Amino acid sequence: TQLLEQSPQFLSIQEGENLTVYCNSSSVFSSLQWYRQEPGEGPVLLVTVVTGGEVKKLKRLTFQFGDARKDSSLHITAAQTGDTGLYLCAGEGRGDYKLSFGAGTTVTVRA
Amino acid sequence: EAQVTQNPRYLITVTGKKLTVTCSQNMNHEYMSWYRQDPGLGLRQIYYSMNVEATDKGDVPEGYKVSRKEKRNFPLILESPSPNQTSLYFCASSLSAGVSYEQYFGPGTRLTVT
Repeated sequence: TQLLEQSPQFLSIQEGENLTVYCNSSSVFSSLQWYRQEPGEGPVLLVTVVTGGEVKKLKRLTFQFGDARKDSSLHITAAQTGDTGLYLCAGEGRGDYKLSFGAGTTVTVRA
Repeated sequence: EAQVTQNPRYLITVTGKKLTVTCSQNMNHEYMSWYRQDPGLGLRQIYYSMNVEATDKGDVPEGYKVSRKEKRNFPLILESPSPNQTSLYFCASSLSAGVSYEQYFGPGTRLTVT
């Protein structure tokens, strides 16, 4: 199993502020996904990035896959209370379909 | 509505008492999977199934069994639960294996083994 480390573990910000969460590994991944999980629910896929250096935008969320395909970041601009949740990254190893998940970053956006 | 359902949502049981957590999907997905989620450890795959009658071990299969007799159902069986199996369990399904196919998660089953 390939290890994915997410930082920070917890993040609390005021509505309107920006935030960035990170997902790092010593392993190379063929692709990487970001999920958001709300209390009492299962994770929901936000994005999949497959190319080193790739940047994808989803409204106020910007996702980047590192050039070396070992790391990724999620940036939220002008956070809203609806962005509150647990953000998980998951990497697919080369040559197999197995997903390795990070432990997640709990984001709280205060009104 | 396309969804993955799990039952029960909450379960408290005692050590050694066999239990089954059911999982069903209505999207005609071939690939199904079970995960457990523990604080600080993220989601870890227990078992997965590529199709009917095709199951395989994930990263943490010890103490669990699964079966896939029908495409839509993928029950998780704990023959003799122990306290270290206290966890939040998620079933997931996708059209096929791999990140090219979005994985849909159920709402979770919170299991406590005393």
